[in-house]
Amino acid sequence: AQSVTQLGSHVSVSEGALVLLRCNYSSSVPPFLFWYVQYPNQGLQLLLKYTSAATLVKGINGFEAEFKKSETSFHLTKPSAHMSDAAEYFCAVSQYGNKLVFGAGTILRVKS
Amino acid sequence: DTGVSQDPRHKITKRGQNVTFRCDPISEHNRLYWYRQTLGQGPEFLTYFQNEAQLEKSRLLSDRFSAERPKGSFSTLEIQRTEQGDSAMYLCASSFYRDTDTQYFGPGTRLTVL
Repeated sequence: AQSVTQLGSHVSVSEGALVLLRCNYSSSVPPFLFWYVQYPNQGLQLLLKYTSAATLVKGINGFEAEFKKSETSFHLTKPSAHMSDAAEYFCAVSQYGNKLVFGAGTILRVKS
Repeated sequence: DTGVSQDPRHKITKRGQNVTFRCDPISEHNRLYWYRQTLGQGPEFLTYFQNEAQLEKSRLLSDRFSAERPKGSFSTLEIQRTEQGDSAMYLCASSFYRDTDTQYFGPGTRLTVL
């Protein structure tokens, strides 16, 4: 069965600092991996996805993620945090375009 | 291009009542998914349709829950005899047959059962 573990339910960074949100997955076959962002009382917006093309995936709003098979990781990074990045971030895994299995989420706080 | 829409955005009901939510996917998206999200958790899969066929249902979808997509366009999710444990955000998503792995989410319906 597929599963996703997000390390750290809350992450706090200063504006302009590096953002690193951690995600580890388990999957018996090569997975599709995703990062979504959710603002309060809203649905989920796709940030980026990995589908076995390039291991470094660039997404919207300056975010990127690197797929590391040896570490079963798909961590999300952004070089410089902005106040507008404050939100909840979800890592998810799927196979063959079916259901998404989400992690528990990481709330990102950006301090001024 | 309009996104996925859901109606209502908020629903407050009393325990034991029936509720129905509607989801309109992005035009030409043939797959439609329902998820449930409780406070502090990630969304959990409930069910999905390809066109009008319901292809998979989660064990979370008890017999009080029923979902339909009669004409392969919009979908409804009905909860009968609501319980306080049904209080959650119900999210709908859709995907296109040429890119089925990318799901686009609607704003969700927040259900509160009193």
